[in-house]
Amino acid sequence: KAGVTQTPRYLIKTRGQQVTLSCSPISGHRSVSWYQQTPGQGLQFLFEYFSETQRNKGNFPGRFSGRQFSNSRSEMNVSTLELGDSALYLCASSLTSGTGNYEQYFGPGTRLTVT
Amino acid sequence: AQKITQTQPGMFVQEKEAVTLDCTYDTSDPSYGLFWYKQPSSGEMIFLIYQGSYDQQNATEGRYSLNFQKARKSANLVISASQLGDSAMYFCAMRRAPSGYSTLTFGKGTMLLVSP
Repeated sequence: KAGVTQTPRYLIKTRGQQVTLSCSPISGHRSVSWYQQTPGQGLQFLFEYFSETQRNKGNFPGRFSGRQFSNSRSEMNVSTLELGDSALYLCASSLTSGTGNYEQYFGPGTRLTVT
Repeated sequence: AQKITQTQPGMFVQEKEAVTLDCTYDTSDPSYGLFWYKQPSSGEMIFLIYQGSYDQQNATEGRYSLNFQKARKSANLVISASQLGDSAMYFCAMRRAPSGYSTLTFGKGTMLLVSP
């Protein structure tokens, strides 16, 4: 069974540009969550999608947005990039959203560098 | 709000020794789940072990065990017989259960270095 895949793995952008990151969950998983990881702030939750609906959102500015498609694949978009957006962006999928030990399986991440 | 505290920025252990990574948490939720993840230098987060707040027994998964002390709000990870491949960042995380969300709150992590 294929794991969570994220594309691209590495990305270099300049300030002011926008970027779109993609995540394909494990087959059958309907919940996709996104996290930002930086040395200073650690791992911070961005948002979660379940069946094409955003169910939860972290404390990030509106420049960060996402969506989920009918096949559960998800994209996140960051507009007007700032230097502080440089981070590892991790996507995680789980079988469902809610009760029990529905562990999240993480992808390898997309490392974004903003110059 | 939920909070995870990992007080050990780094830990050193010799191969084949056991090591305990500390994790304390704070939550007002009556029901929650506690997780440990391993993150090698490649970046991918690898699930290690899960403990539910109402589980009567401490969780074990191979060489990993979770020392869950609910009254103290601690969920320490014990790795027995450390291996060189265990060198990585380790994160403790928490999630509400039951809830409609899968959001995980992570600690800052502990870097574990295993020496020969």
